[in-house]
Amino acid sequence: EAQVTQNPRYLITVTGKKLTVTCSQNMNHEYMSWYRQDPGLGLRQIYYSMNVEVTDKGDVPEGYKVSRKEKRNFPLILESPSPNQTSLYFCASSFISGRAQETQYFGPGTRLLVL
Amino acid sequence: QQQVKQSPQSLIVQKGGISIINCAYENTAFDYFPWYQQFPGKGPALLIAIRPDVSEKKEGRFTISFNKSAKQFSLHIMDSQPGDSATYFCAVKRSYQLIWGAGTKLIIKP
Repeated sequence: EAQVTQNPRYLITVTGKKLTVTCSQNMNHEYMSWYRQDPGLGLRQIYYSMNVEVTDKGDVPEGYKVSRKEKRNFPLILESPSPNQTSLYFCASSFISGRAQETQYFGPGTRLLVL
Repeated sequence: QQQVKQSPQSLIVQKGGISIINCAYENTAFDYFPWYQQFPGKGPALLIAIRPDVSEKKEGRFTISFNKSAKQFSLHIMDSQPGDSATYFCAVKRSYQLIWGAGTKLIIKP
């Protein structure tokens, strides 16, 4: 089954404790992206990647890191989480060429609470 | 800056009625205008989308109306059903990036 998976689905942590949220897709997509979803703000892009070893900042990158060492994986790293990073996080992926690039496929989300 | 304004924030419609959600954007460089549907506990999923060279696109009970001069587009759900209850997001595409509206929580009352 074609899908984007994220782990963990729920996470409670404390301020300053480094954490990683994993994202993996099995559709051979070049493009991968991380969003955060907050009430009243919609989805805001954190980082995106056009392909292996190619990453770039989105609209709200502060406090986050990413890496793209393999095509299928795009982990999101919070080196020193703070309470304002409490949010619902989504990973998404798509192709980058042709009409297929226009559809982004989303993971199920990771709900993060930083105390 | 907010480039996509979506309204209303929430909407309650009777079963069988028409649900209408609106979006306005601020930049003419966008070339793709999708609507995504999100159910609780799930990620958003593409529902329907339109390109700026057409004014309307219909897929089943879902229709997008697009007004390029006014920089507005809207989602119409005909014969709304309880299963349509979800959060709906409009978005605009800039290069490889999607810029999202704030979302509309739609509730269809039986």
